[in-house]
Amino acid sequence: DAGVIQSPRHEVTEMGQEVTLRCKPISGHDYLFWYRQTMMRGLELLIYFNNNVPIDDSGMPEDRFSAKMPNASFSTLKIQPSEPRDSAVYFCASRGREGTEAFFGQGTRLTVV
Amino acid sequence: AQSVTQPDIHITVSEGASLELRCNYSYGATPYLFWYVQSPGQGLQLLLKYFSGDTLVQGIKGFEAEFKRSQSSFNLRKPSVHWSDAAEYFCAVGGGGTASKLTFGTGTRLQVTL
Repeated sequence: DAGVIQSPRHEVTEMGQEVTLRCKPISGHDYLFWYRQTMMRGLELLIYFNNNVPIDDSGMPEDRFSAKMPNASFSTLKIQPSEPRDSAVYFCASRGREGTEAFFGQGTRLTVV
Repeated sequence: AQSVTQPDIHITVSEGASLELRCNYSYGATPYLFWYVQSPGQGLQLLLKYFSGDTLVQGIKGFEAEFKRSQSSFNLRKPSVHWSDAAEYFCAVGGGGTASKLTFGTGTRLQVTL
């Protein structure tokens, strides 16, 4: 398996634009997580899914953020409209059964100017 | 609520010296515990994990960690550090059921001097 695949690796966008981050989890994994990493706040869990169903979205900072998982092999994180303070590295991770470790993608570095 | 504390933001050690990175967790039941390493510009890679059983767990790259329930700790150790170990290290706690999410500490940045 190629691991967790995220795209794009880098994204630069202007304030107010819509941004969509994509993630392909490892095949067979039941859990998918979206994290945001910044110098100030470290690694924050935004939302996670189990069997394509959102379980906990309490970490989603604002209504501008939304995440979907239409099927077991694809998830998106959308920011609309984007703001400079959204600049961060966004990681997607997937995991198999409960208690096993999570595998991380390479991340998407988002810069909003 | 589950949480992880890594009290050391930055540690510097000499190559060949021993290393211990501290991690304290808060969790209501028996936790699943993890250590991850992140090199600059990269994702997180699992070093080792504890689920149950032997409280001393071995990981990759010569790292080990010891689970101490009485101290709510899961410290990471390495007897002899190599320059390539310079990176950021994250401790994480998770569980089962409704607590399936992984919660990470703020990380410890390790610098290795030659």
